[in-house]
Amino acid sequence: QQQVKQSPQSLIVQKGGISIINCAYENTAFDYFPWYQQFPGKGPALLIAIRPDVSEKKEGRFTISFNKSAKQFSLHIMDSQPGDSATYFCAASIEGSNYKLTFGKGTLLTVNP
Amino acid sequence: DGGITQSPKYLFRKEGQNVTLSCEQNLNHDAMYWYRQDPGQGLRLIYYSQIVNDFQKGDIAEGYSVSREKKESFPLTVTSAQKNPTAFYLCASSITAGVMNEQFFGPGTRLTVL
Repeated sequence: QQQVKQSPQSLIVQKGGISIINCAYENTAFDYFPWYQQFPGKGPALLIAIRPDVSEKKEGRFTISFNKSAKQFSLHIMDSQPGDSATYFCAASIEGSNYKLTFGKGTLLTVNP
Repeated sequence: DGGITQSPKYLFRKEGQNVTLSCEQNLNHDAMYWYRQDPGQGLRLIYYSQIVNDFQKGDIAEGYSVSREKKESFPLTVTSAQKNPTAFYLCASSITAGVMNEQFFGPGTRLTVL
């Protein structure tokens, strides 16, 4: 059973455009939602994270939008750059649980110059 | 220069052989994790350890074993019982196992079974 569903599987955007990646979760007990960025052959790195008590969090060109009632959250990359080309993973976890992060299957983003 | 190191970067194994993947961290983190990554499958948790001499199974522990004898080391053994071991293996650590603590990942080991 996949608890975090991520879409699209792949995304191609022109330089300067907006990249949008969506995730939906099933377990309403999830209360921590990080996004990780992974370049080929490297380990993932935390990009930005949000708790459900806020609807949006922005860090530079990266924004998380969170819709608790719909059980959805999304990553927006403004002014996308070729250097943003990577695989992006959303994840979720439950405070007080056995501390597991449940990951989405990933989105391969390609930003064309 | 703090971080997580994994070795080797590439590993080839014959069927029926056990193999051990190394993970070392000098971040003074209490918690360590092993994930498996397959194309299009995201990251799946194999084992995690919240403290020295203690570890718990993750979602896909069958065919794997770990030890945590030192705070900085969390080796993963892929046994011959793992039916499909070819994958990219990632080690991670966090300050504690608390939910808000960022997990830092190593560069990974790509295991190929010949």
